[in-house]
Amino acid sequence: KQEVTQIPAALSVPEGENLVLNCSFTDSAIYNLQWFRQDPGKGLTSLLLIQSSQREQTSGRLNASLDKSSGRSTLYIAASQPGDSATYLCAVDDGGATNKLIFGTGTLLAVQP
Amino acid sequence: ETGVTQSPTHLIKTRGQQVTLRCSSQSGHNTVSWYQQALGQGPQFIFQYYREEENGRGNFPPRFSGLQFPNYSSELNVNALELDDSALYLCASSLEGRAYFGPGTRLTVT
Repeated sequence: KQEVTQIPAALSVPEGENLVLNCSFTDSAIYNLQWFRQDPGKGLTSLLLIQSSQREQTSGRLNASLDKSSGRSTLYIAASQPGDSATYLCAVDDGGATNKLIFGTGTLLAVQP
Repeated sequence: ETGVTQSPTHLIKTRGQQVTLRCSSQSGHNTVSWYQQALGQGPQFIFQYYREEENGRGNFPPRFSGLQFPNYSSELNVNALELDDSALYLCASSLEGRAYFGPGTRLTVT
């Protein structure tokens, strides 16, 4: 059974700092991995999608890496801003018939001005 | 904006009642999934519909049921509500492996 873990559960950094969020999964047979952002009480916004054949994806100040063999992904945020404050969730698509997403419990990020 | 809308935004129900939540996804997105997110947790997969047929189900009892319609809208129905059903319910449409989530419906069962 696929399990997804995210550490740390919460992180507080001063504005301008670079930071890394971690995601690990137990079964390397994944179809893809997605990173989402969730603001309090809101839906999920897809940030980056990494296919199983890819090693990384970049969008602006965000860079996500994927190492299937070790069951790990990282989300790197450069030059953090207060507007980056949110919960960040990673999810793996197990590639089965349903393409269901299996989520971690998220990392709550607070960027202090 | 993902183009996925959900209604209502918030809902309060009493234990034992029934509820219907609605989702409208983007044109051309044939797959819709529903997730339950309890406070402080990641979303949990409830079920998925593809071209109006249930295409997979998570670990949820039969009192959770759904429908998908030809106009890319869908419903999540929950019967005999329990206190633990209080959560944010999210629908997501999919295209080329990427999931597009709606803003969610916050259900409170008292």
